[in-house]
Amino acid sequence: DTEVTQTPKHLVMGMTNKKSLKCEQHMGHRAMYWYKQKAKKPPELMFVYSYEKLSINESVPSRFSPECPNSSLLNLHLHALQPEDSALYLCASSQDAAGRFFGPGTRLTVL
Amino acid sequence: GQQVMQIPQYQHVQEGEDFTTYCNSSTTLSNIQWYKQRPGGHPVFLIQLVKSGEVKKQKRLTFQFGEAKKNSSLHITATQTTDVGTYFCAGLETSYDKVIFGPGTSLSVIP
Repeated sequence: DTEVTQTPKHLVMGMTNKKSLKCEQHMGHRAMYWYKQKAKKPPELMFVYSYEKLSINESVPSRFSPECPNSSLLNLHLHALQPEDSALYLCASSQDAAGRFFGPGTRLTVL
Repeated sequence: GQQVMQIPQYQHVQEGEDFTTYCNSSTTLSNIQWYKQRPGGHPVFLIQLVKSGEVKKQKRLTFQFGEAKKNSSLHITATQTTDVGTYFCAGLETSYDKVIFGPGTSLSVIP
């Protein structure tokens, strides 16, 4: 299985809502990532988990809260988001320093 | 901090013409990765180059890593409409987990 899955595909939420994005991989990769991508821009790294421990937080606002329940799962909890947080949120995994396998993403709209 | 630049930003070619995108880093890289993102899709890992001067081919795609490990190129021979998308290079910083994406080159192919 060489796939990274993400749910939901689309999400519309108000600024007072709490929601979660989910990501799963079964490639045995030990590194998992959250990226944010705005239109016509490259993916922007948010968080890195290595062996289920948070190893990099790219100064992301606390309204984004990552969680890694086990080596296959990665969540991103969202609370009190702003309209400028609307973007494509991509999960990825990799084996060590190798290429990232990206999921299809969650297209988030914050009203 | 490290910066990765790509040129051109956009390229429009007639089907059958060749295409090249260039990637330059402000610092020496451990490796360079290339990704393709189709319109409305997610980045897909194409290849990773590790060695100085390395050249790799994938059918009509040729990837090169510079001798100083600070630049790279992707060349597509005889473009097809299936090549449409944005090509990102991504350089791996020596801090292991941090891959810095270039801004991408958007390729349009006119049938």
